Amino acid sequence: AQSVTQLDSQVPVFEEAPVELRCNYSSSVSVYLFWYVQYPNQGLQLLLKYLSGSTLVKGINGFEAEFNKSQTSFHLRKPSVHISDTAEYFCAVRDSSYKLIFGSGTRLLVRP
Amino acid sequence: NAGVTQTPKFQVLKTGQSMTLQCAQDMNHEYMSWYRQDPGMGLRLIHYSVGAGITDQGEVPNGYNVSRSTTEDFPLRLLSAAPSQTSVYFCASSYRTGNYGYTFGSGTRLTVV
Repeated sequence: AQSVTQLDSQVPVFEEAPVELRCNYSSSVSVYLFWYVQYPNQGLQLLLKYLSGSTLVKGINGFEAEFNKSQTSFHLRKPSVHISDTAEYFCAVRDSSYKLIFGSGTRLLVRP
Repeated sequence: NAGVTQTPKFQVLKTGQSMTLQCAQDMNHEYMSWYRQDPGMGLRLIHYSVGAGITDQGEVPNGYNVSRSTTEDFPLRLLSAAPSQTSVYFCASSYRTGNYGYTFGSGTRLTVV
């Protein structure tokens, strides 16, 4: 069965600094990978997804992620964060039976 | 276009009570699913359905029942609520093929006392 590991439960960072949120998935023949963001007391919003093609995926709000098949990773990056990026971020993988499997989440805390 | 609608938004139950969380989508999505979200555990899959009349268990199905009589609706039933079922519940839907975009509802916050 597919699984997702988010290595950091919390990432503190200063405003305007770069950030990387790490995600590793269990190996599979083909994978569809997603990053979602959840702002406090809200639902989940899709940031970006990898289905095929270019390994560098650009999403909303200036985020991007790189699919690395050899390392089974899909790390999320942003070159300069804002206070408004404070939220919880979830990495997810879709398995062969259409299920979306989530990691445990990473809380991004942006400090002024 | 309402997307995925969940009701109620908040609910308090007493231990042993039963209730149904409603989920409806108007996008003709074949796939629908229920998750529960608990601190530090991400979203865990309870039940899912790949089409009307077809349901299957996810990671944490115990204490929950589902049915899928129509494409649009996928209710989640708690048969006898327990404090361990205190959580935030999300419903999600998507097409089975295509761009695999999952749409989430806004959630139901359930407290069992």
